[in-house]
Amino acid sequence: EAQLVESGGGLVQPGGSLRLSCAASGFSFSSYEMNWVRQAPGKGLEWVSYISSTGNTVYYADSVKGRFTISRDNAKNSLYLQMNSLRAEDTAVYYCARAVGTDNRFDPWGQGTLVTVSS
Amino acid sequence: QSVLTQPPSVSGAPGQRVTISCTGSSSNIGAGYDVHWYQQLPGTAPKLLIYGNNNRPSGVPDRFSGSKSGTSASLAITGLQVEDEADYYCQSHDSSLSVWVFGGGTKLTVL
Repeated sequence: EAQLVESGGGLVQPGGSLRLSCAASGFSFSSYEMNWVRQAPGKGLEWVSYISSTGNTVYYADSVKGRFTISRDNAKNSLYLQMNSLRAEDTAVYYCARAVGTDNRFDPWGQGTLVTVSS
Repeated sequence: QSVLTQPPSVSGAPGQRVTISCTGSSSNIGAGYDVHWYQQLPGTAPKLLIYGNNNRPSGVPDRFSGSKSGTSASLAITGLQVEDEADYYCQSHDSSLSVWVFGGGTKLTVL
């Protein structure tokens, strides 16, 4: 069974940095495109970033472009999100999600890791 | 303001049928991109509920169904059960933004 487990969340001051990790198991990680999606407290889902199976193609939401960097290590079955210049509005639960099929549905999702940006 | 528009809330009694709409535009749903639906139970991560407009992953009851027409899509839930109380999100791709987009979410209350 495919499983994703995020880690690395925590409390960080505005302007600070944090690196999230997502450990994949139960499937051939190197064959799949991956995404990060976030959810601010009490709010809806917001797609954050995408990375192709090889890592050669990446996309970002405008809200994080230039501040966040997505990457992956297929040898370690891991996905990462480097977050710099963090703002209060980046406070959210961050989920990693596998993209499946030609229609790029997200399945499964990890359990999420909470990032709180506050002084 | 979400690119895909959903009603903030819907409700129904056990056993009844409810529908949740998802309205997009010519750059996403209307452009032919597939619509997916996710169910988020309280305190948990989202789970894929419907994919490719009207397909159910294995394990999802046939009480859940999806449809798509023009620039809109709908999720229907028949035979409502208390355990269906959750937030539901639609998702598609937007060609003008080159991103994946979600609806704002709909909270289903089973009365």
